Amino acid sequence: QYVLTQTPSASGTPGQRVTISCSGSSSNIGRNFVNWYQQLPGTAPKLLMYSNAQRPSGVPDRFSGSKSGTSGSLAISGLQSEDEADYYCAAWDDSLNNWVFGGGTKLTVL
Amino acid sequence: VQLVESGGGLVQPGGSLRLSCAASGFTFSNYWVAWVRQAPGKGLEWVANIKQDGSEKNYVASVKGRFTISRDNAKNSLFLQMNSLRVEDTAVYYCARDQPAMSYWGQGVLVTVSS
Repeated sequence: QYVLTQTPSASGTPGQRVTISCSGSSSNIGRNFVNWYQQLPGTAPKLLMYSNAQRPSGVPDRFSGSKSGTSGSLAISGLQSEDEADYYCAAWDDSLNNWVFGGGTKLTVL
Repeated sequence: VQLVESGGGLVQPGGSLRLSCAASGFTFSNYWVAWVRQAPGKGLEWVANIKQDGSEKNYVASVKGRFTISRDNAKNSLFLQMNSLRVEDTAVYYCARDQPAMSYWGQGVLVTVSS
């Protein structure tokens, strides 16, 4: 259903480090940058990371991104309760001529 | 930067609706812009985008031939004409400033397709 694959859920306790992964293919992540979006409950998505590892202004440095081959990762260190949200990866797909998204990872802060 | 969508509502299957997005706070004509939707309780789905001068448009396969994206740079506005609507088009529709990422998003507008 979703071109990019994310694990549906993740969790951690305050202060922990969690990693969210995103798996794609040679036509999307393998050739293009990965972007990450954060969607807090009941709000519009917000750009969290772009070009694999670049943080927009205002995004804390607790958030970091990386890419290797056809997979991308988002790491959150020093987990806080306000990080509880849905996280989506996205990449441009050269074969489809589309942006493609992952199905989202729901992060729970225990 | 502000993006404000309008034009949503309830429509019967097979009907039409035109969404608008008013942009402000940036030079609209310098950017690609896009529509992204989110069905109730589901993830994000990119719908379409359009180049700065309107010369290039891309669509997700499920809306090709039914939806048309357009823009009016003089009015800083983005549009989505949706025809032959289906129940599965029910979603919150967001407009977003595009490339190299969807860096700013509107608050979204709900489109409900139901009889």
